[in-house]
Amino acid sequence: DQQVKQNSPSLSVQEGRISILNCDYTNSMFDYFLWYKKYPAEGPTFLISISSIKDKNEDGRFTVFLNKSAKHLSLHIVPSQPGDSAVYFCAASGIQGAQKLVFGQGTRLTINP
Amino acid sequence: SQTIHQWPATLVQPVGSPLSLECTVEGTSNPNLYWYRQAAGRGLQLLFYSVGIGQISSEVPQNLSASRPQDRQFILSSKKLLLSDSGFYLCAWRASGRNYEQYFGPGTRLTVT
Repeated sequence: DQQVKQNSPSLSVQEGRISILNCDYTNSMFDYFLWYKKYPAEGPTFLISISSIKDKNEDGRFTVFLNKSAKHLSLHIVPSQPGDSAVYFCAASGIQGAQKLVFGQGTRLTINP
Repeated sequence: SQTIHQWPATLVQPVGSPLSLECTVEGTSNPNLYWYRQAAGRGLQLLFYSVGIGQISSEVPQNLSASRPQDRQFILSSKKLLLSDSGFYLCAWRASGRNYEQYFGPGTRLTVT
């Protein structure tokens, strides 16, 4: 039972354009969502998060949108840069099991020059 | 600032041999600690988490075990490794309290031969 899904295993975007990474979840008890970035052979790095009381959170080039009715969140990166090439994981947590994060399978983003 | 260390960085072990991976966190007290595994091409699987010294919760039944002998030390062990134990092992910490963000160490690449 995969509670957090990233249906696109890979995404290719031209440098300077917008990258949009998507994530869907099934558990309505989730109330906090996070995005992580991971380079090969390194640990994931926390990027940005959003609480369910908001529908948008912005930090520099990164914006996360949350659509609770659709149980969908997305990460927008604009403009995309070559250093953004990495695997991106979305994660979710909630009041139940607040200590744990449930991760999606990841999307490999490649930024082409 | 907080720092998380993992060692070794890489490890090649024969089937049936024991395993000990260590994780330590600096700059924080009473963190929640986590062990994850990322198999090749897969997402992050939570193996164990700990909310305090001697308190271990297991997520996946397997031949691995975890211990927390000190507040900021988390150890992953096995008495006899299996081929299926190969993967990238990640330790993470989270500040106790309401925050959901987890911060990851650099990881250990384990190859069981």
